[in-house]
Amino acid sequence: DTEVTQTPKHLVMGMTNKKSLKCEQHMGHRAMYWYKQKAKKPPELMFVYSYEKLSINESVPSRFSPECPNSSLLNLHLHALQPEDSALYLCASSPQANYGYTFGSGTRLTVV
Amino acid sequence: GNSVTQMEGPVTLSEEAFLTINCTYTATGYPSLFWYVQYPGEGLQLLLKATKADDKGSNKGFEATYRKETTSFHLEKGSVQVSDSAVYFCALSYSNSGYALNFGKGTSLLVTP
Repeated sequence: DTEVTQTPKHLVMGMTNKKSLKCEQHMGHRAMYWYKQKAKKPPELMFVYSYEKLSINESVPSRFSPECPNSSLLNLHLHALQPEDSALYLCASSPQANYGYTFGSGTRLTVV
Repeated sequence: GNSVTQMEGPVTLSEEAFLTINCTYTATGYPSLFWYVQYPGEGLQLLLKATKADDKGSNKGFEATYRKETTSFHLEKGSVQVSDSAVYFCALSYSNSGYALNFGKGTSLLVTP
């Protein structure tokens, strides 16, 4: 298995909703990442998990809450989002070495 | 800090034309360098990489050489196809940042028949 699987592919949520994005990989990668990508912009790093521990949080608002339950799964819990949080959320994984990432196809989130 | 600068697009080429997308970087030490491609409505795919000076990454007819003296990693392809139309991102990663990728702004390429 050489893929990173993200679910759901599309999500529409209200500003008072709570939802979660899921990411799964079975490549044995020990580093996992969340990125946010707005239209016509490069991805922006949100969180880095290394060996299931949060190692980098790029000053992301607390309405985004990451979780890494095990080495294969990464979640992003969403609560009280704003319309400007609408974006493509990308998950990626890599070996704990500099080999480059494997990205998932993303969750396109719309906050209404 | 570490940063990547790539040429602004959009770039429009005719099929079979030669492609160059410029990328330069600023980093302390020796980062690894990458080119990623994003097709419309999709996530990013690793196109090629180079982890040390003078390395040449290549894939699907695309090439880029890690030039430490000019801090560059320009992407080239000898003959582009319509199917190469996409957004191309140059990126670097560095061991002291958890190998987090630092992207350039992206270059949109449109290849016309």
